[in-house]
Amino acid sequence: SQKIEQNSEALNIQEGKTATLTCNYTNYSPAYLQWYRQDPGRGPVFLLLIRENEKEKRKERLKVTFDTTLKQSLFHITASQPADSATYLCALVRGNNRLAFGKGNQVVVIP
Amino acid sequence: DAGVTQSPTHLIKTRGQQVTLRCSPKSGHDTVSWYQQALGQGPQFIFQYYEEEERQRGNFPDRFSGHQFPNYSSELNVNALLLGDSALYLCASSLGQGGYEQYFGPGTRLTVT
Repeated sequence: SQKIEQNSEALNIQEGKTATLTCNYTNYSPAYLQWYRQDPGRGPVFLLLIRENEKEKRKERLKVTFDTTLKQSLFHITASQPADSATYLCALVRGNNRLAFGKGNQVVVIP
Repeated sequence: DAGVTQSPTHLIKTRGQQVTLRCSPKSGHDTVSWYQQALGQGPQFIFQYYEEEERQRGNFPDRFSGHQFPNYSSELNVNALLLGDSALYLCASSLGQGGYEQYFGPGTRLTVT
């Protein structure tokens, strides 16, 4: 069966450190993968998109890698800040922009 | 520039009732997708509308139906509500069916009692 797995345990990290989140998938062959941020009671906010032929993508303090052989994406937040505390969702694209989401991984940045 | 808007914000219904949720896409967007997000889970794709037609559908029963209007706004209808339909319902808009970035609305919190 198709699965998208993100760590269910919250990641607690000290301010200024790098937070790294993992997204593993099985039985998918996505053309591209997206990361979203979601705050409690709010809709997800698009952060980054990476295509299958791209190894790495950066945007300000965010970095995403995509390894189609390992079927894994890593999401990094460098120099983390308390405002980065949220749930981060990995999404694979199926068909015409139909997204399949993981459960999300909560990040808590401790001042 | 108005983003995606959804109404109502919260809704409480009784089992067996019917509900209609509404969504206005971001200005310039023509494609609307609906997702259901249960507590502690990621959003699950319900269906997508483009050019006033349902183009893709996820694994949801026929009790879930929708509509897209000429101005690209959309409605999600759920009939014969079950307790398990309690969730946050999210609307997302994009430009064209292949639009990469999806912009989500704040969602409608539906509680079925």
